[in-house]
Amino acid sequence: NAGVTQTPKFQVLKTGQSMTLQCAQDMNHEYMSWYRQDPGMGLRLIHYSVGAGITDQGEVPNGYNVSRSTTEDFPLRLLSAAPSQTSVYFCASSYSRVSYEQYFGPGTRLTVT
Amino acid sequence: AQSVAQPEDQVNVAEGNPLTVKCTYSVSGNPYLFWYVQYPNRGLQFLLKYITGDNLVKGSYGFEAEFNKSQTSFHLKKPSALVSDSALYFCAVRESSGYSTLTFGKGTMLLVSP
Repeated sequence: NAGVTQTPKFQVLKTGQSMTLQCAQDMNHEYMSWYRQDPGMGLRLIHYSVGAGITDQGEVPNGYNVSRSTTEDFPLRLLSAAPSQTSVYFCASSYSRVSYEQYFGPGTRLTVT
Repeated sequence: AQSVAQPEDQVNVAEGNPLTVKCTYSVSGNPYLFWYVQYPNRGLQFLLKYITGDNLVKGSYGFEAEFNKSQTSFHLKKPSALVSDSALYFCAVRESSGYSTLTFGKGTMLLVSP
């Protein structure tokens, strides 16, 4: 199993540009989530999904969109990039949202200039 | 609202000595508690979890954690630290009932010196 994969690993955007961060998992996990990691702030939940076709907002959803058309994929879209979105983004998946541990991807380091 | 506090930004310990990384939590009901580790330029890796049962939980790489309900704590411990344990450690909590999501602490950097 490849586990959780994320592309790209690095990205530089100009303010106002849009892009999609890709996330895929091959473990047939129902629950998937996106976090951003900023120094001294830990991980903050952006959006999550409890299954195909079902998504919900986390703690910091503004400026981001998600969709879940398949169990495997959970892309994160930045609609109009802002410098405040400079961060490291992690995708994670787990068997369910309740008591199971999450598996994290390697991360995408995004810089918005 | 649920929350996690990791009171130490950094913990320094000499190789071979015991280590403790502190975590306290707040939830309105019963907690599910997790520890994750992050090595440089990597994603988080699961170490251990407390769901129910024995208050002492054993996990990967010789780590263990003790759930203390009265003190609302879930400290991470290891009897003998290794230089390779140096990493960023995150505690996380969610309420066992309802539809809450996982809340992470800010992380504690563990530095083990030779």
